[in-house]
Amino acid sequence: AQSVTQLGSHVSVSEGALVLLRCNYSSSVPPYLFWYVQYPNQGLQLLLKYTSAATLVKGINGFEAEFKKSETSFHLTKPSAHMSDAAEYFCAVNGAGNNRKLIWGLGTSLAVNP
Amino acid sequence: DTGVSQNPRHKITKRGQNVTFRCDPISEHNRLYWYRQTLGQGPEFLTYFQNEAQLEKSRLLSDRFSAERPKGSFSTLEIQRTEQGDSAMYLCATVMGQGGIEETQYFGPGTRLLVL
Repeated sequence: AQSVTQLGSHVSVSEGALVLLRCNYSSSVPPYLFWYVQYPNQGLQLLLKYTSAATLVKGINGFEAEFKKSETSFHLTKPSAHMSDAAEYFCAVNGAGNNRKLIWGLGTSLAVNP
Repeated sequence: DTGVSQNPRHKITKRGQNVTFRCDPISEHNRLYWYRQTLGQGPEFLTYFQNEAQLEKSRLLSDRFSAERPKGSFSTLEIQRTEQGDSAMYLCATVMGQGGIEETQYFGPGTRLLVL
């Protein structure tokens, strides 16, 4: 069965510090993995996705994530946090069926302190 | 702005009333999904359409919920006899749908429902 676990429901970093948001997955099929960001009262926006090509994936706004099959992980990083990065971040994995729905983690709220 | 629009953005209703939400997809996107998101949770799959055909409904979707996508364009989600537990953000996402699992789902801004 497909599932996603995001460790840490709340992460707080200082502006300019490294951002690390953790995502571990479980999948009965080769996974496709996604990170989305949600700003307050807005919909979800794709940051990046892993589709079995390069294991290091670069996304928008300076974010990147590395797919590690041995660790079943897809952690999201950014070298230097900006105040505008404060948002909710969701990791998702593709469903195993033909419907191609996404299975989501509970999200991690990122706070950036000045 | 992803190009997916949802209306209304906010809806406050009294318990027992019916509500209807609308999602307008990106043109030529043939797959459309509805998700529900409650506070502190990730989105939960409700249902999806391939063109006008509703191909799957989650067990979360009780008989009070119905979704349509006439002509394979916009979609509506109706909740009859609303309950306080229906209070949530309802998200619509669309996909171009060329066939790949990895295709990006583009989300609308959501409709936030509050049932009093």
